[in-house]
Amino acid sequence: DTTVKQNPRYKLARVGKPVNLICSQTMNHDTMYWYQKKPNQAPKLLLFYYDKILNREADTFEKFQSSRPNNSFCSLYIGSAGLEYSAMYLCASSRDPDWGQNTLYFGAGTRLSVL
Amino acid sequence: GDSVTQTEGQVALSEEDFLTIHCNYSASGYPTLFWYVQYPGEGPQLLFRASRDKEKGSSRGFEATYDKGTTSFHLRKASVQESDSAVYYCALSDHYAQGLTFGLGTRVSVFP
Repeated sequence: DTTVKQNPRYKLARVGKPVNLICSQTMNHDTMYWYQKKPNQAPKLLLFYYDKILNREADTFEKFQSSRPNNSFCSLYIGSAGLEYSAMYLCASSRDPDWGQNTLYFGAGTRLSVL
Repeated sequence: GDSVTQTEGQVALSEEDFLTIHCNYSASGYPTLFWYVQYPGEGPQLLFRASRDKEKGSSRGFEATYDKGTTSFHLRKASVQESDSAVYYCALSDHYAQGLTFGLGTRVSVFP
């Protein structure tokens, strides 16, 4: 079962409030990723976990947090949502990477709207 | 940093038309190149990939050839069907980082 599940599918948040998005996978993949997709922009990598090690992109370091309590679950946390966080958030996973050879399996995404 | 440039915006076709989506890349290393497809309501899924110069990837009638000389990986299909309507992403992964660098995506609409 090559399934990555994301909850919820749609999320409405108020400016200044926290947001927590959830992702799960049952493929026992070592690596999990979070991407942000805005209209007319390419999906942008925010961060990824390789096993228990979190790697965050330099330009999103301060804006997003994440946790991975076990191999199957990964969350994306926004401490104080701003209008600029409105986007589709895509979670993906891959097996132990073979440096460029690994396939990413994506969830259907969570559409976050910040008002 | 790495980047991918692909045919922008939307492409409208009739069934049995020929499809080409251009993809050019810029990377410091020798990247693996991918085409991902995203159907409505779903996440992107791998169509195919290629890792070496002149390698051809193919799936479901789509194909692309890795061309290191022109830094290109153009997607082609000889005869599209309505079921091919989707967003297509060209992407790359280099050997020094994880994850993918995506292009903007091209929305393909095929009409009967």
